[in-house]
Amino acid sequence: DAGVTQSPTHLIKTRGQQVTLRCSPKSGHDTVSWYQQALGQGPQFIFQYYEEEERQRGNFPDRFSGHQFPNYSSELNVNALLLGDSALYLCASSLRQSGNTIYFGEGSWLTVV
Amino acid sequence: GIQVEQSPPDLILQEGANSTLRCNFSDSVNNLQWFHQNPWGQLINLFYIPSGTKQNGRLSATTVATERYSLLYISSSQTTDSGVYFCAVKENAGNMLTFGGGTRLMVKP
Repeated sequence: DAGVTQSPTHLIKTRGQQVTLRCSPKSGHDTVSWYQQALGQGPQFIFQYYEEEERQRGNFPDRFSGHQFPNYSSELNVNALLLGDSALYLCASSLRQSGNTIYFGEGSWLTVV
Repeated sequence: GIQVEQSPPDLILQEGANSTLRCNFSDSVNNLQWFHQNPWGQLINLFYIPSGTKQNGRLSATTVATERYSLLYISSSQTTDSGVYFCAVKENAGNMLTFGGGTRLMVKP
């Protein structure tokens, strides 16, 4: 049973560029959430996707956008990258009906230079 | 929004010692999870425990929802227990997990 998988694991981008991160949820899960974790802090909720729609959004600017595909996988896009966007980006999956245990992927480490 | 506070922020133990980590939250929740974040960044589920007590090997957790706190017990600690422990909660109305600041645990051999 595959867990939550994310790609790429590490990447370096230049200020002003755009980045796309990808996530495949745990088998059987239909809900994907994205979190940003800055160094030394707890993860912060970015948004959640269910049935290919954004269902809830945290306190992040419009530069952060996402998408969910019919197979439940998801992408996180960040435009006009800032140095402060350097962080670990975590994808979490769950089954909306049960809404119980939420599983996280290994994350994508983004460095903006 | 809901506030989550964890204590202590840092903890250093000798291998074999026991410890208790605490998580306080400011409002009613319908989901509370404890995670261990390994040095590579992955969040490993330890417990889903919105109320009651659970045990898994050397780890156990108790949540007293009416008093808005949860405790994570680590017994006979091992060096592999080192890392950051996070408590995260989900409010009754909402879809997001709100994380505490974490407890950074170092277990020395």
